[in-house]
Amino acid sequence: NAGVTQTPKFRILKIGQSMTLQCAQDMNHNYMYWYRQDPGMGLKLIYYSVGAGITDKGEVPNGYNVSRSTTEDFPLRLELAAPSQTSVYFCASSYSNKANYGYTFGSGTRLTVV
Amino acid sequence: GENVEQHPSTLSVQEGDSAVIKCTYSDSASNYFPWYKQELGKRPQLIIDIRSNVGEKKDQRIAVTLNKTAKHFSLHITETQPEDSAVYFCATDTGRRALTFGSGTRLQVQP
Repeated sequence: NAGVTQTPKFRILKIGQSMTLQCAQDMNHNYMYWYRQDPGMGLKLIYYSVGAGITDKGEVPNGYNVSRSTTEDFPLRLELAAPSQTSVYFCASSYSNKANYGYTFGSGTRLTVV
Repeated sequence: GENVEQHPSTLSVQEGDSAVIKCTYSDSASNYFPWYKQELGKRPQLIIDIRSNVGEKKDQRIAVTLNKTAKHFSLHITETQPEDSAVYFCATDTGRRALTFGSGTRLQVQP
């Protein structure tokens, strides 16, 4: 199993550009998540999904959109990129039927908006 | 929403000493408390977790304790080693299966 795969690993965007961060998992996890981690800070939840076709907002959803058309994929869309979106983005997934459901994280995407 | 406070923000210990990191949470509905370790430039990795019906859990040199009445939980690392140097994050879940993270503790183990 590859686990959680994120692409790209690095990206530089100009202000106002758009992009999609890709996330895929091959563990048949129902739950998937997007977090952002600003330098020296904790992780903030952007969006999450409890299964295909279902998404919900987290703490910091403004400026982002998600979709979940399959169990495996959970892309994050940035529209009209702003410098405040410079961050490291982590995708994660977890089992829905385990009481102790610690996340499996992807390796992250480092995004810089200039 | 849930608020998680983590202390200290930095911690320096001598190799072989113990380290303790503490988190407090605001929502009494929180029922799951994992701890993650993040090495520089790497992804966070789960190191230990506990549910609200358990007061303490131990795995070799690491342990987590939970005080539901006071709404705090702690990570204990004994016999610290240089490879324990990393940033540690606590997290909580109120039952929606989406974690709220603390701000992190940078642990430095001096050889």
